[in-house]
Amino acid sequence: NAGVTQTPKFQVLKTGQSMTLQCAQDMNHEYMSWYRQDPGMGLRLIHYSVGAGITDQGEVPNGYNVSRSTTEDFPLRLLSAAPSQTSVYFCASSGTAGFLQETQYFGPGTRLLVL
Amino acid sequence: GQQVMQIPQYQHVQEGEDFTTYCNSSTTLSNIQWYKQRPGGHPVFLIQLVKSGEVKKQKRLTFQFGEAKKNSSLHITATQTTDVGTYFCAPPSGGYNKLIFGAGTRLAVHP
Repeated sequence: NAGVTQTPKFQVLKTGQSMTLQCAQDMNHEYMSWYRQDPGMGLRLIHYSVGAGITDQGEVPNGYNVSRSTTEDFPLRLLSAAPSQTSVYFCASSGTAGFLQETQYFGPGTRLLVL
Repeated sequence: GQQVMQIPQYQHVQEGEDFTTYCNSSTTLSNIQWYKQRPGGHPVFLIQLVKSGEVKKQKRLTFQFGEAKKNSSLHITATQTTDVGTYFCAPPSGGYNKLIFGAGTRLAVHP
């Protein structure tokens, strides 16, 4: 059981380039999300998905796109990278929610540097 | 949107001293989760609190949910170097599994 995996671990981009951060989970979780973490800012929600084919915006969605074609995968696409998108990106997943929020399982993160 | 404030932002202690971090919300929370992130690592779930006034213990860690369900705290007794990291509180935001994370409290422990 690999849990949540993310690739790449580290990436350097030039301003204006596009790229896709990959995220996959093998726990059959319905809910997946992407966060970015900047120093002193905690974790901010970019986009999330409550199931295959369903996505929605979080707190800071501008400049990012997502899709959810399968339960397992939730890629994050940077359309035109900007230095302000330099950050550490975490993907997380959790199971079906009842009344309470479920435990979120985080991937190891992708460190992105935009020059 | 809902926000939470965590204090302090940073604390360094001598090994063996106690440590407490506080999480405050302007609104009543249905529940709250706590996560720990080691340096260079990813957040890892610690606990979820649901009931008013709830207190839960995990070895040297004591978690508390306020009576009004607007604040929560994490207390570590006799810190060890393995406690180093950033501790985040995370209440729900807008339903389903959405969480918002506080800015976190970074703990440094000096041997």
